[in-house]
Amino acid sequence: GAGVSQSPRYKVAKRGQDVALRCDPISGHVSLFWYQQALGQGPEFLTYFQNEAQLDKSGLPSDRFFAERPEGSVSTLKIQRTQQEDSAVYLCASSREEAEAFFGQGTRLTVV
Amino acid sequence: SQQGEEDPQALSIQEGENATMNCSYKTSINNLQWYRQNSGRGLVHLILIRSNEREKHSGRLRVTLDTSKKSSSLLITASRAADTASYFCATDPLSEKLVFGKGTKLTVNP
Repeated sequence: GAGVSQSPRYKVAKRGQDVALRCDPISGHVSLFWYQQALGQGPEFLTYFQNEAQLDKSGLPSDRFFAERPEGSVSTLKIQRTQQEDSAVYLCASSREEAEAFFGQGTRLTVV
Repeated sequence: SQQGEEDPQALSIQEGENATMNCSYKTSINNLQWYRQNSGRGLVHLILIRSNEREKHSGRLRVTLDTSKKSSSLLITASRAADTASYFCATDPLSEKLVFGKGTKLTVNP
């Protein structure tokens, strides 16, 4: 497809469960970003990749959050031992260098 | 933490009127971008303005940037009901990552 694709669109997890969220960026985009968006708030930066290198992970809220992009294309955001405060929409974006970022539709995570 | 702050937080206007939203930020930037988000949907890129530009147009959108005041404005002319959405500014504080504000929720009444 032409856009950024995220899966699943919706995920309900029991507290303590591990989840994995997938992002397929636009082909050829070297930069990939993950954001967390709470209800009524703007997106908060989590982490950034340039190709397979994770250049900035300063926004990851705890060591339960882990992201990877092993081949410089698809990325996975993993959350271990989910907590209720992890409930949010997780947005992925990709871009060419110093250009506009294109966002996926997001994954809405609900932890019950 | 969020760098950009949009103002107002909410704006309600009638169809056909113009809507102006403002954004202030804190640090030096390479560029500033505006995004739109419909309820429950992803972010749609509207326009990018570079730090050496002062004004940019795209269709009914007009964006200004004042780097001395660290502020930007987004003007939507001749608004339509379909413009109802949240609007975010995003800056890149001399890095690749984008930092978003909390957004302005625009309602255009038919």
